[in-house]
Amino acid sequence: QKEVEQDPGPLSVPEGAIVSLNCTYSNSAFQYFMWYRQYSRKGPELLMYTYSSGNKEDGRFTAQVDKSSKYISLFIRDSQPSDSATYLCAMNTGTASKLTFGTGTRLQVTL
Amino acid sequence: NAGVMQNPRHLVRRRGQEARLRCSPMKGHSHVYWYRQLPEEGLKFMVYLQKENIIDESGMPKERFSAEFPKEGPSILRIQQVVRGDSAAYFCASSPVAYEQYFGPGTRLTVT
Repeated sequence: QKEVEQDPGPLSVPEGAIVSLNCTYSNSAFQYFMWYRQYSRKGPELLMYTYSSGNKEDGRFTAQVDKSSKYISLFIRDSQPSDSATYLCAMNTGTASKLTFGTGTRLQVTL
Repeated sequence: NAGVMQNPRHLVRRRGQEARLRCSPMKGHSHVYWYRQLPEEGLKFMVYLQKENIIDESGMPKERFSAEFPKEGPSILRIQQVVRGDSAAYFCASSPVAYEQYFGPGTRLTVT
């Protein structure tokens, strides 16, 4: 079993839709949770990070962490074609430690 | 503030040659991480370095791979005697202190 599970998609939604992306994990030691966006043949771009359980909002993006269920989510409101990319969840056990990634979900936002 | 810089962006090597990948962290960042991304797979951790020290190399293959982050200059990931299975995108990330890691554009290594 992988430490971090993420549905690879692809996920196709119309412009303006609310997108929900999710990851589950098995290691209860994970404390910091991140979402990255990666365009084709580019480096991952940090979108959101959260510590422990709770919600965090930044513009059209909301990150949620539920440590009791070992489940994290990223919501994208009013999705745009420019949001079409692969979204990677990542997490680590503490400061200055390696990230463990999900395999990524490919998102396509259509006009 | 310039982002993480990696060079070369593309590197072609024949089997048995050496590959050297360079990473310059963001200004003020003292933590450097290397990850590898194979086709259709997620990013896998390789090594974590601070200046002149390897902190965690638990993801590095035991043979042919080495990394350094000298007092002066970029971090280097070295792959000796490359094989076709080494073909991948190699990403470097840097961090100022803690859990935020910022990635460079990657080096795409092709072994022919």
